[in-house]
Amino acid sequence: SQQGEEDPQALSIQEGENATMNCSYKTSINNLQWYRQNSGRGLVHLILIRSNEREKHSGRLRVTLDTSKKSSSLLITASRAADTASYFCVTQGSNYQLIWGAGTKLIIKP
Amino acid sequence: DTEVTQTPKHLVMGMTNKKSLKCEQHMGHRAMYWYKQKAKKPPELMFVYSYEKLSINESVPSRFSPECPNSSLLNLHLHALQPEDSALYLCASSQGEGSDTQYFGPGTRLTVL
Repeated sequence: SQQGEEDPQALSIQEGENATMNCSYKTSINNLQWYRQNSGRGLVHLILIRSNEREKHSGRLRVTLDTSKKSSSLLITASRAADTASYFCVTQGSNYQLIWGAGTKLIIKP
Repeated sequence: DTEVTQTPKHLVMGMTNKKSLKCEQHMGHRAMYWYKQKAKKPPELMFVYSYEKLSINESVPSRFSPECPNSSLLNLHLHALQPEDSALYLCASSQGEGSDTQYFGPGTRLTVL
């Protein structure tokens, strides 16, 4: 079942620009994760933020979490062609199952 | 080794055929998963195995039959499928059923004629 929505559904930017994707969810969570899927490398776990954290960084990725608003954002800085992919926001609640958002399709133009 | 492998990469089958999808991981993970993904949609959970026992079946039709021969292998047996079953089938594993991070294989692209 789908937990929430990602915004935007599709995003097209120039290489080198920053990309921001947002995610909203409905129920309480233990953690929120972002996965990336492209044809070359399949579905890959990018970053996880726990419900008691507000911000997390990993390389060019920055994730924020606002549990009061039930929302998260993923920022990719200095985008590259290889960042072209679909990005999924995934929440995990107390029943441990992963609940997937619909995804944001990101296209990086050269 | 942080890899989950799946075979075959592509599979075309008729509605009367019987085929199997295979998944393997050597990370010592004790939970393994089958997902189905239609185009432009997120993955949908089908089955969860925990310690080689079926833990979750998300009301999947009986024409899909999972099997976990050992802690490293996961199979999905297919029989009498319908064209609407055409999709990308993804296998994943995690340290335990409640673990947060799942590691995905590249998937099997299935076409049912």
